[in-house]
Amino acid sequence: DQQVKQNSPSLSVQEGRISILNCDYTNSMFDYFLWYKKYPAEGPTFLISISSIKDKNEDGRFTVFLNKSAKHLSLHIVPSQPGDSAVYFCAARDRGSTLGRLYFGRGTQLTVWP
Amino acid sequence: DTGVSQDPRHKITKRGQNVTFRCDPISEHNRLYWYRQTLGQGPEFLTYFQNEAQLEKSRLLSDRFSAERPKGSFSTLEIQRTEQGDSAMYLCASSPGSGNEAFFGQGTRLTVV
Repeated sequence: DQQVKQNSPSLSVQEGRISILNCDYTNSMFDYFLWYKKYPAEGPTFLISISSIKDKNEDGRFTVFLNKSAKHLSLHIVPSQPGDSAVYFCAARDRGSTLGRLYFGRGTQLTVWP
Repeated sequence: DTGVSQDPRHKITKRGQNVTFRCDPISEHNRLYWYRQTLGQGPEFLTYFQNEAQLEKSRLLSDRFSAERPKGSFSTLEIQRTEQGDSAMYLCASSPGSGNEAFFGQGTRLTVV
């Protein structure tokens, strides 16, 4: 059972525009959410995170929004750049776990074209 | 380079053979994780170590899989009698005891033929 869902397998955006990647989750025990970026043949690279006590976290061009009531989060990239083209994974941690195990979505392939 | 290091990067093996992968975590990180990623899926949790103790194993980790972390430093993941379904990217990650983010290595791509 997929507890973290990324329903859009791909997204194509023009350079300079906003990219919005969405993620839904089902487990109300999740208390920490992360976004990872992955290039082909490499491991995921941590991008940005948000705690469940916040509804927004910003880091440069990247902003993550959390809507706990809807169990939804989104990653905004503004402005998008060709180097942002990668697979983006949403991940979540269960507050009941002291182990830090992460649950991942299936990823969204972002393509930023000139 | 002080990141998570995995070896080898690629491994092609015949069905039925045993393979072993190594992971060197970031030196001050006491938590180490193994994940597996197949095509079209996100990483799936396999097992977790805190220092040298293996504290959790996923149901994905069949009896053919074994992981160790002697002395709480590097870790090895062994797959015995490999099957074609074992073909995947095996990812290692580490995190500090109080941290939330896990830092991943570049992975080992296993192909079983």
